[in-house]
Amino acid sequence: GAGVSQSPRYKVAKRGQDVALRCDPISGHVSLFWYQQALGQGPEFLTYFQNEAQLDKSGLPSDRFFAERPEGSVSTLKIQRTQQEDSAVYLCASSLFGLAGVGYEQYFGPGTRLTVT
Amino acid sequence: KQEVTQIPAALSVPEGENLVLNCSFTDSAIYNLQWFRQDPGKGLTSLLLIQSSQREQTSGRLNASLDKSSGRSTLYIAASQPGDSATYLCAVGEGLTGGGNKLTFGTGTQLKVEL
Repeated sequence: GAGVSQSPRYKVAKRGQDVALRCDPISGHVSLFWYQQALGQGPEFLTYFQNEAQLDKSGLPSDRFFAERPEGSVSTLKIQRTQQEDSAVYLCASSLFGLAGVGYEQYFGPGTRLTVT
Repeated sequence: KQEVTQIPAALSVPEGENLVLNCSFTDSAIYNLQWFRQDPGKGLTSLLLIQSSQREQTSGRLNASLDKSSGRSTLYIAASQPGDSATYLCAVGEGLTGGGNKLTFGTGTQLKVEL
């Protein structure tokens, strides 16, 4: 079936604008993750959902960042009052299960490149 | 806090050469280790997943090993081809409260295979 998809692929926002980034995980995948990748760096964990429950948001850099997955499938990452340091690629990943104590393979989408001017 | 280091940061080799990419991590309490490749402007493609109880995994010309006690993994690429040119990322899986595991990434090794 289809892989993880993300939209838009590119987003340019003026400083202070709000943005919303969408992720469609692989159908049936329980776990969904958001990562932020700055230029020249590896991705960094932002937040994790198991179905519709947000179980970990320890990586969100500030309270301007908000994520939701209301029906346990599609997820949206929202950034309010964007700032230049928010410029990065935002990657979404999903995995089939989310049982405690087990590591499942994560499948990544193509990412959304956000540029804040 | 887990730290993942990849050496070398960049590597250029002639076509056909066998090569080894190195990854080290500071906290051995991991669930698994995953190797990815990333092409410019693209997302991550999973290459190999090694569970914490395993020592190695193989897929085609790729072989990854894991020594959890010493905090090391290597990715071996046999008979390299120009199409292997990409950035290779190592990531360790760690537990999250409530289940699931997050990935902590290294900064990658940028590989160029020349004709």
